Amino acid sequence: EVQLVESGGVLVQPGRSMKLSCAASGFTFSSFPMAWVRQAPTKGLEWVATISTSGGSTYYRDSVKGRFTISRDNAKSTLYLQMDSLRSEDTATYYCTTGSAWFAYWGQGTLVTVSS
Amino acid sequence: DIQMTQSPASLSASLGETVTIQCQASEDIYSGLAWYQQKPGKSPQLLIYGASSLQDGVPSRFSGSGSGTQYSLKISSMQTEDEGVYFCQQGLKYPFTFGSGTKLEIK
Repeated sequence: EVQLVESGGVLVQPGRSMKLSCAASGFTFSSFPMAWVRQAPTKGLEWVATISTSGGSTYYRDSVKGRFTISRDNAKSTLYLQMDSLRSEDTATYYCTTGSAWFAYWGQGTLVTVSS
Repeated sequence: DIQMTQSPASLSASLGETVTIQCQASEDIYSGLAWYQQKPGKSPQLLIYGASSLQDGVPSRFSGSGSGTQYSLKISSMQTEDEGVYFCQQGLKYPFTFGSGTKLEIK
């Protein structure tokens, strides 16, 4: 059974940093591109970033480019999202997902709240 | 960015009724479209990918169609468990973009 378990979501002040993790199991992690998708409270879905199987290619939405870094450790079957210079508009539930063009498996999400 | 316009924003349907949700892209996305269902407090679930391919484990009453800029999701016989919010998503070009969602309720 595919499992994606996110962690790291907390309340953080604007301008600070935090790192999300996603532990994957039940599939060959190194064979799948991975992504982060977020959802602000009571809002729709927003793609954040995607990483290739090897980690050699990464893609970001403009609003997080230069502030967020997606990475992966295939030996540990873990996906990461380093988030720097956080803003209030980054407040959302962050989902770890599998896939490149569409997202077949999702974690339960971790809530990031950016507020002073 | 490719804009995805979903309609209607909400609808209610009776059990057994056929439901159709529309999604329009701001440019041709060459069937690079997926549909998701999200229930309250839960993660989204992939229903359809490539505009018309049914994801494993998804009931056959769900179907997708369309091409170019116009796509639709059809539920052929509404069931209680189909209540939720439905999103379309284009996977052709970065940044991937989602529709604003359609809230489906039982009448």
